[in-house]
Amino acid sequence: AQSVSQHNHHVILSEAASLELGCNYSYGGTVNLFWYVQYPGQHLQLLLKYFSGDPLVKGIKGFEAEFIKSKFSFNLRKPSLQWSDTAEYFCAVNALSGSARQLTFGSGTQLTVLP
Amino acid sequence: ETGVTQTPRHLVMGMTNKKSLKCEQHLGHNAMYWYKQSAKKPLELMFVYNFKEQTENNSVPSRFSPECPNSSHLFLHLHTLQPEDSALYLCASSQGAASYNEQFFGPGTRLTVL
Repeated sequence: AQSVSQHNHHVILSEAASLELGCNYSYGGTVNLFWYVQYPGQHLQLLLKYFSGDPLVKGIKGFEAEFIKSKFSFNLRKPSLQWSDTAEYFCAVNALSGSARQLTFGSGTQLTVLP
Repeated sequence: ETGVTQTPRHLVMGMTNKKSLKCEQHLGHNAMYWYKQSAKKPLELMFVYNFKEQTENNSVPSRFSPECPNSSHLFLHLHTLQPEDSALYLCASSQGAASYNEQFFGPGTRLTVL
């Protein structure tokens, strides 16, 4: 079965700092990759997604993620954080073959941005 | 009301109670999902419905019983739950159950089993 690992459970950074959140998955076939975000008191919402093509994908609010197939990684980045980026971030993977075709989530990373 | 709505937002129940969670999507989607989100654990997919037909059941105990009367409504019937079932239950929908379709989530029902 596929699994998703998010290595950082809680990250605390200051405004204007750069961000990189790690995400690794374990599945050898073709995958679709997602980052979801949950702002305090709000629903989970899609931040960005990768299906095919350019491995560097851009999402909302200045976020981007790079798919590195050889490393089974899909790390999330933002060059300059804002206080409003405080939220919980979830990486998710959906395999396209075999029995594991469901969306599998990582355990999430709580990001706190200090003003 | 837009998006995906869930009621109630909070529920406290005893182990012998029977209750139901309701989810409604106003997006014209065909697929609906139930997830369980426990503290410090990844979201766990429980059930998937595509065009009202259940397509996934991830070894969920029978004390959780889903119902999908139409593509817009999804219920989760609860009976004789255990304290470890306390969690946030999230509903989601998508345009078809294909892997590339973005899922839209509701706000969740915070369930506490005493």
